[in-house]
Amino acid sequence: RKEVEQDPGPFNVPEGATVAFNCTYSNSASQSFFWYRQDCRKEPKLLMSVYSSGNEDGRFTAQLNRASQYISLLIRDSKLSDSATYLCVVNRANKLIFGTGTLLAVQP
Amino acid sequence: DADVTQTPRNRITKTGKRIMLECSQTKGHDRMYWYRQDPGLGLRLIYYSFDVKDINKGEISDGYSVSRQAQAKFSLSLESAIPNQTALYFCATSDLTDREGELFFGEGSRLTVL
Repeated sequence: RKEVEQDPGPFNVPEGATVAFNCTYSNSASQSFFWYRQDCRKEPKLLMSVYSSGNEDGRFTAQLNRASQYISLLIRDSKLSDSATYLCVVNRANKLIFGTGTLLAVQP
Repeated sequence: DADVTQTPRNRITKTGKRIMLECSQTKGHDRMYWYRQDPGLGLRLIYYSFDVKDINKGEISDGYSVSRQAQAKFSLSLESAIPNQTALYFCATSDLTDREGELFFGEGSRLTVL
C-alpha cells in the first residue's frame, strides 16, 4: 500500500464546475501536508499548505482530518488554466512523500 | 535564469553506461533532493542532503549514488545504467529555516536507457 494514496482520475469537468480531490495517508507520524500542482511535462510547484483548521486561497480550499488521515482540495469555479495534475504531499521526518497525483481536465 | 538548474535536460544512453545528472541552485538553500517520476508511481525520493557533509538514502537508492560538491551543487550518478532507470528525474531544494518545507524543483532531466 502506498503511503499517500490519491484517485488518479482523470476528472473531466466543465468550466465553472466545483471539483474535489481526496487523499489519504497511512503514517500517523506525518507532520505537515501540502497540495502541489504539476502541469504537463513541467516540474511540480507548491499550490498550498493544508492546516487542520482548513484554509482557503481564492477559489481553492484545503482541509485536513488528522483523525481519519484524510486531506482534501476543493476547487470552485474551475478555469481552463486549472487543468493539471494535483499532487497530495505529506512531510514525514523532514522528507516529502508524494502521492501519484490526480489529473484534472477542465473542458470549455 | 532558473533558480534550480538541471543538466542535461534530455539524455539517451545504453545499458551499462555511466551517467551523471547535475543540479545547481542559486537559492542559497541547504537542503537538496533527487526524485524520479514514473507514470503511475509518482515522485519517489532517491537521495537527499541537508548540508554539504550530509548524504541520506531515500526510498529507492539502489543503483544510484550522489555527490554534494558544494552547497549549490548536488549530482546524481548511475554507475551502470539499466532500462528500468528510464524516468524523469527532478532535483529539488528547500530552505532549512522554512517550517513549511516548500520544495523548489528544477525543470527535470529525462533519461532513456536503451
